[in-house]
Amino acid sequence: EVQLVESGGGLVQPGGSLRLSCAASGFTFSSYWMHWVRQAPGKGLVWVSRINSDGSSTSYADSVKGRFTISRDNAKNTLYLQMNSLRAEDTAVYYCVRVGSGWELDYWGQGTLVTVSS
Amino acid sequence: QSVLTQPPSVSGAPGQRVTISCTGSSSNIGAGYDVHWYQQLPGTAPKLLIYGNSNRPSGVPDRFSGSKSGTSASLAITGLQAEDEADYYCQSYDSSLSALFGGGTKLTVL
Repeated sequence: EVQLVESGGGLVQPGGSLRLSCAASGFTFSSYWMHWVRQAPGKGLVWVSRINSDGSSTSYADSVKGRFTISRDNAKNTLYLQMNSLRAEDTAVYYCVRVGSGWELDYWGQGTLVTVSS
Repeated sequence: QSVLTQPPSVSGAPGQRVTISCTGSSSNIGAGYDVHWYQQLPGTAPKLLIYGNSNRPSGVPDRFSGSKSGTSASLAITGLQAEDEADYYCQSYDSSLSALFGGGTKLTVL
């Protein structure tokens, strides 16, 4: 069974940093591209970042470019999102998502809440 | 402002048919990228509903169907049931393989 379990969320002050992790199991993690998608309270889904299967290619939404870094450790079956210079508008539930063979986002984690507030 | 445009809300009575549109442009849907649809029940993570424009993952009822034409796509739900009340999102890509989402549509079953 495919499982994606996010961790690392919490309350952080504006300007602070957090690192999110996503532990993957039930599939060959190193074969799949992965995304981070976020959802602010009461709002819609917003794409944040994606990484290819070996970590050599990444892409970011303009709103997080230069502040967030996506990475992965295929030996540990873990996806990461390093978030620096956090702003109030980064407050959201962050989902770790697997990319399926047809480029669909076929499995989603349960999400981890990041709250940026003083 | 989402790159893909969806109606904020739709509604229908039990048993009826509703459709949700998703309008993009020649840079995304019109460029040939597939459209995928997700259902998000209240308080839960999104779930894949339709992939590759019109395909249903295992376990998704055939009451749900998708189509794509030109720069737009549609999700149709027939035989509406109370449990279909949820938020629905379309998704596609642009040339940099950045994922694009619609703003979401809230379905209310009257």
